[in-house]
Amino acid sequence: QVQLQQSGPGLVKPSQTLSVTCDISGDSVSSTSAAWNWIRQSPSRGLEWLGRTYYRSTWYHDYEVSVKSRIAINPDTFKNQFSLELNSLTPEDTAVYFCARELNGDPIDNWGQGTLVIVSS
Amino acid sequence: QLVLTQSPSASASLGASVKLTCTLSSGHSNYAIAWHQHYPNQGPRYLMKVNSDGSHIKGDGTPDRFSGSSSGAERYLTISSLQSEDEADYYCQTWGTGVRVFGGGTKVTVL
Repeated sequence: QVQLQQSGPGLVKPSQTLSVTCDISGDSVSSTSAAWNWIRQSPSRGLEWLGRTYYRSTWYHDYEVSVKSRIAINPDTFKNQFSLELNSLTPEDTAVYFCARELNGDPIDNWGQGTLVIVSS
Repeated sequence: QLVLTQSPSASASLGASVKLTCTLSSGHSNYAIAWHQHYPNQGPRYLMKVNSDGSHIKGDGTPDRFSGSSSGAERYLTISSLQSEDEADYYCQTWGTGVRVFGGGTKVTVL
């Protein structure tokens, strides 16, 4: 049974970088069947997919166009986790951030518990 | 552009049935979707995948009273024998090459 456990700061200042981590148990970040996603939810934008990383003999990344210039999703094979970094933050980036897994090309089937990030000075 | 449209709210009485609709944008009527259930202050929970032919594959632990179906560009989630714990937000999700898309969600109220 896969479990995703998130951690990260709750408050970040404008113009700084958000960093949230998702620890994986019951699966491997290097699995060639899985893909590892970040999604956020805010009252104004609902659920918004941000991007994903996956390993198929090399690492691949897909990013949502609206954040592509500001985002990085990085796997850590030693710690079996993946992280989200989002820079140049504005109050519009205030949201609950979720990590999630896809398996075998199917839709998201497991979610993290969510991390509230508030962008404020 | 790949877009999913959901009604903002739905309600039904305890023990009754409710049918939620997720509509795929023009040109995408053959896409499969997934349904997720979301309670406040928790991570969402995957319920099932619904294919364009109406077949559906449930996630582990999805109760039998949840079922999926399709008609054209519409994908449905039916909750039968509605329970109080079914009061939640329900999101549909689909995917394409390099993109994942969510609907706006439907808030289900159990009367």
